Amino acid sequence: NAGVTQTPKFQVLKTGQSMTLQCAQDMNHNSMYWYRQDPGMGLRLIYYSASEGTTDKGEVPNGYNVSRLNKREFSLRLESAAPSQTSVYFCASSEAERQREKLFFGSGTQLSVL
Amino acid sequence: GESVGLHLPTLSVQEGDNSIINCAYSNSASDYFIWYKQESGKGPQFIIDIRSNMDKRQGQRVTVLLNKTVKHLSLQIAATQPGDSAVYFCAGAGAGSYQLTFGKGTKLSVIP
Repeated sequence: NAGVTQTPKFQVLKTGQSMTLQCAQDMNHNSMYWYRQDPGMGLRLIYYSASEGTTDKGEVPNGYNVSRLNKREFSLRLESAAPSQTSVYFCASSEAERQREKLFFGSGTQLSVL
Repeated sequence: GESVGLHLPTLSVQEGDNSIINCAYSNSASDYFIWYKQESGKGPQFIIDIRSNMDKRQGQRVTVLLNKTVKHLSLQIAATQPGDSAVYFCAGAGAGSYQLTFGKGTKLSVIP
């Protein structure tokens, strides 16, 4: 029972480089989310996808793009990484088409931008 | 918008004692609250949730209390165990809103 799987677990980028964070869930959930977590801060929503084929901005979308590839997969792309994007990124999924239900989180990607 | 905050960034309790983690929110129209536990190096894990039409909800060794008058909720953990050591987050959502606002977290340390 894998749940929500994120890759990679760790990544170091130089300013201006691009990368894609991958996320896949095997629970047949409708909704998927990308959050970032900074030291001493709560989780902040970057983007979400309420259902396959739809994506919407969250609280902090600037500098990111997302793709809901299919029902299982939701990727987060940094086109030109900046030091301010140094953070831990979490992907999550939920059965319901809204956040205000039980979310299942992946184990996170630690990203450092130098 | 909603603002959710925890009262204490850290909390230390003796193994076997009860733990109480407190959280305050700003939006009186908030109608859904949820608690997550995050162990070191892992993603948050659902503990329990409560809707505003309830004052109390119990799970396995955990109880969430909601006081809408003072806009406060608490998570009580009975007979705290070393495995309870983690960061605990509360989050809330306003009525009609799909978006959760997370607090900053309280780090619970259990002393053997």
